[in-house]
Order: sequence, then structure tokens, then C-alpha cells
Amino acid sequence: AQTVTQSQPEMSVQEAETVTLSCTYDTSENNYYLFWYKQPPSRQMILVIRQEAYKQQNATENRFSVNFQKAAKSFSLKISDSQLGDTAMYFCALRNNAGNMLTFGGGTRLMVKP
Amino acid sequence: GAGVSQSPSNKVTEKGKDVELRCDPISGHTALYWYRQSLGQGLEFLIYFQGNSAPDKSGLPSDRFSAERTGGSVSTLTIQRTQQEDSAVYLCASSLTASGGGSTDTQYFGPGTRLTVL
Repeated sequence: AQTVTQSQPEMSVQEAETVTLSCTYDTSENNYYLFWYKQPPSRQMILVIRQEAYKQQNATENRFSVNFQKAAKSFSLKISDSQLGDTAMYFCALRNNAGNMLTFGGGTRLMVKP
Repeated sequence: GAGVSQSPSNKVTEKGKDVELRCDPISGHTALYWYRQSLGQGLEFLIYFQGNSAPDKSGLPSDRFSAERTGGSVSTLTIQRTQQEDSAVYLCASSLTASGGGSTDTQYFGPGTRLTVL
């Protein structure tokens, strides 16, 4: 079985500053995919960033980047220049290459303060 | 193009009643997934459809839950004899494919249906 753990239930950051959300996971597979999703109060789950485990280079999407440490099974999300619109729940998720569904962490509630 | 849509947005029902939740995936997406998001359990996988293959029902919590996907497009999740513990947000997602390289297996989510069982 695969598991995903987010150890920070809540975090806050000042607008324009940088924040890092933690995620660790466990899987017996060597090839898998990792995701960060954002869920604002509207409930819509929005893909933030995706990382293939076979790629050593960390994924980046504008202000969002990841620190993927495969050996440590760690996949943290860094948000630079935080904006008020970044306030949301953030979920880390894992999908095995052979599997179909996403396994989610418990989420981190991020509050960006003006 | 249009994203994943779900209806109704909210559903309130009485314990023991049956409910149907609908999902319209992104056009052309062959894979469709249902998840449940509840306070106590977080986000749980329920069921997965891929093309015309038999669905993966491994996440369904009981035989009161069932789902269909007609014509490889629209899906309906049915909960029979609803219980209070069924109260949750039911999320549907679709992806172009179920697996593979690139980003074709990235799952895109709908806004969910919030189910409240009184």
C-alpha cells in the first residue's frame, strides 16, 4: 500500500514571502508520479505542479517549485512571492505507474496574510 | 474548453433515501474517477473507469455504492439507503489516459457535490 503524509495541518505566510509545504510518501514502486493540488473554498481541486519520479530535475511552474528527494521520499512545495489568492488547502498526492487512483495526504491549510 | 462538471452542487437527503450524483468529464478523456472527501477520512478513492474496461471498484466502501459510465462519457454515482456517515463532498475527476508519460494521465477535478444526509 502507498501512503502520503503532510505533517503541517495549518500554515501561514505574509504576502510576498516564501513558504514551503512538506510532504512525505511511501511506495514500493520505483516509477510513480507526484502532484500538488490546491483546493480553495470553492472546492475545485486545481493542479499546481506535477513531478515524474524518474526525472531528477525538480519541477517548476512560475512561483511554484518542488524539492523532490527520491531517496528520502520527500516532495515539498515552495511558493515564492505568496499572494492572497494562494490561500487554500494544499494536497500532496501520489500515483503509481501501474495504479489508477491518486493517494492523497491529509492536506495543509495555507493562509496568506496581507 | 469546458472542465469537469458535476451536478447537483449540493444535495440534502433524508437517511434511507437513494441519491444519484452526476459527472460530465472533459470531452475526449477516457479515464474517469470518483473520490470522496470527508472530515474524518480525508480524500478517498472510490471507483475508476477506463474506456470500455470493467471498472476498478476497489475503493467503494459498501455495496450500497455503485457507479455507471454510459457511452464512455457521463458517469453516475448512486448511493442507496443513505446513512449519515455518507455525508461528504463527492469529487469526480477525468484524465486523457489512465497512465503513461507526459501529462496525459493528469487528473482534472470537478467542483464536487456536497451531500448531506439528515
